[in-house]
Amino acid sequence: DAGVIQSPRHEVTEMGQEVTLRCKPISGHDYLFWYRQTMMRGLELLIYFNNNVPIDDSGMPEDRFSAKMPNASFSTLKIQPSEPRDSAVYFCASSVSGTSGYNEQFFGPGTRLTVL
Amino acid sequence: AQKVTQAQTEISVVEKEDVTLDCVYETRDTTYYLFWYKQPPSGELVFLIRRNSFDEQNEISGRYSWNFQKSTSSFNFTITASQVVDSAVYFCALSEVNNAGNMLTFGGGTRLMVKP
Repeated sequence: DAGVIQSPRHEVTEMGQEVTLRCKPISGHDYLFWYRQTMMRGLELLIYFNNNVPIDDSGMPEDRFSAKMPNASFSTLKIQPSEPRDSAVYFCASSVSGTSGYNEQFFGPGTRLTVL
Repeated sequence: AQKVTQAQTEISVVEKEDVTLDCVYETRDTTYYLFWYKQPPSGELVFLIRRNSFDEQNEISGRYSWNFQKSTSSFNFTITASQVVDSAVYFCALSEVNNAGNMLTFGGGTRLMVKP
């Protein structure tokens, strides 16, 4: 089975440019999460969706960040304009709700973003 | 508010030694889930185990074992006879049962280095 797919794996851009990160969750999963990982702040949850609807975006750092999930198999995280402090690894994860409770999240390989 | 503390930021052992990674959590909920993830040098996050708050049985999976103690709010992870391939950053995480979904709060991670 395919896991969570993220693209691109690496992105280098210049300050001020728009950056779009993409994620395809595991088929059948109804939750999708976007995380950011930095040395200083560790793993931070940015936003998550349930059945394509954003549930909690309180972790989105500022208005320059936006996320969408137009359908069950695709989500984007956009940064416009990008700044050097946005440099990080961005992970997408998905999980499935179940009668047994809360299930583990499966993570994609991450996108390493460098903003010069 | 929920919180996960991994006090050991870095541990170095020699191959074949046993090592225990500590995890202490805080939550007001009586129902919650605890997780361990492994992040090898390649960067992906790999799910290792999930435990719910009503199940305090210790679990063993090969060289891995987990000790969940509700009385001390701890969920420690032991690797027996460590191997070089165990070198990674290990994250403990907590998910509270709430109306908003299965969000994870991660600890800061423990970097384990196993030397040959």
